[in-house]
Order: sequence, then structure tokens, then C-alpha cells
Amino acid sequence: AQSVTQLGSHVSVSEGALVLLRCNYSSSVPPYLFWYVQYPNQGLQLLLKYTTGATLVKGINGFEAEFKKSETSFHLTKPSAHMSDAAEYFCAVSEVLTGGGNKLTFGTGTQLKVEL
Amino acid sequence: KAGVTQTPRYLIKTRGQQVTLSCSPISGHRSVSWYQQTPGQGLQFLFEYFSETQRNKGNFPGRFSGRQFSNSRSEMNVSTLELGDSALYLCASTRAGDRSAGELFFGEGSRLTVL
Repeated sequence: AQSVTQLGSHVSVSEGALVLLRCNYSSSVPPYLFWYVQYPNQGLQLLLKYTTGATLVKGINGFEAEFKKSETSFHLTKPSAHMSDAAEYFCAVSEVLTGGGNKLTFGTGTQLKVEL
Repeated sequence: KAGVTQTPRYLIKTRGQQVTLSCSPISGHRSVSWYQQTPGQGLQFLFEYFSETQRNKGNFPGRFSGRQFSNSRSEMNVSTLELGDSALYLCASTRAGDRSAGELFFGEGSRLTVL
């Protein structure tokens, strides 16, 4: 079964600083990987996804992630943090289910705090 | 295009009661999944429906059930509520057919509090 590990349940950065949120995955097949963001009292919004092809994936709000198969990693970065980036971020891997269809296995999430 | 709509957004129940949550997927999406989110267990897969059939089920007791209607709308039901059922219940929809459908589109959730 697939699994996802997010290192650091809380990350704090200064506004304008680099954001780096770490995600490592375990998958027996080539993975489909996702980053979602959740603002307070809201659902999950897709930031970006890796399926096949280019290993550097660009998403919304200036975020990007690089798929590194050798390191089984899919870290999320943003060059310059903004106050509006404060939220919880979830890394997820897609798993094809025996009944057909997919489910996402999520990491435990990283709460990003952005300070002035 | 309207997103995934979940109702109600907030509700309070007492132990032993039952609750029904509703989800309307994005138009054209035929697969609907449900997830439970709690501080302790994180995001956990409940079940997934496609063409009115439950295709997959997570590791939850039988008190948790659901169904899907011909218009792809889905409901989930929790019977004999326990305190531990307090959670944010998230519905997600996707096009079905290929593995890239692993991209899920989530609603804002129904926050259930059990007293």
C-alpha cells in the first residue's frame, strides 16, 4: 500500500522567505502525487499534481514541486512566502483500488505559519 | 462551473443519534468519495461511489454507510453516533475512467460535533 510522510507538522517562515515543505512517499508503482492546501474551515484545494512527464511541476499561487524518484520525494517550494500562504498543506499519493477508481492517501499535514 | 457542494456545513448531534450528510458533485463527475478528517487520525478514506454503486470502502465500522443517486449526488449516513465521530466530513468528486482521475475536487465539508 502507498504511504506518505510529511516531515514537520509545523513550519514557520518570515514573509518573503523561501517555503519548503517536505514530502516522502512509498509506492510500489509509479506514483501520482498531489499537494493540497486547506484554509481554516474549508475543504482541500489542489495546488499541483505530478502524474507523468516533467518532474518539476508548477502549481497555483507560485508553488512548485519536484518529483525525485531516487529520493522518493515530492517537496513543495515557493520562493517568497506571503501572509496569505498561511494554511495547512497536505501531500497525497493516489492509489488505484481493486474495485476500480482511486483513493488518495494523505500525509499528516504541515501547518505553515508566515510571520512579518 | 459550480464546485462540490456539501450540506449542511455545520451540525450538532448527541450520542446515539444518526446523521445524514449530502454531497452534490461537480457536473459531469460520476465518482464521489468521502473522507473523514480529525485532528488525531488525519484524513481517512471512508468510501467511494460510482454509478450508484459502492466500489470501495475504507476501514470504518458498519455504522458508516452511504449511497449515490442516478444524478451522481451522494449521501452518507452515520448511525448510533459516538463522541469519536466528531469530525469534518469531506466529499470529493472526480471524473472516472483513468488513473489521473486521482485528482479529487473537494467540497468545503460538513463539520459534525457529537455531544
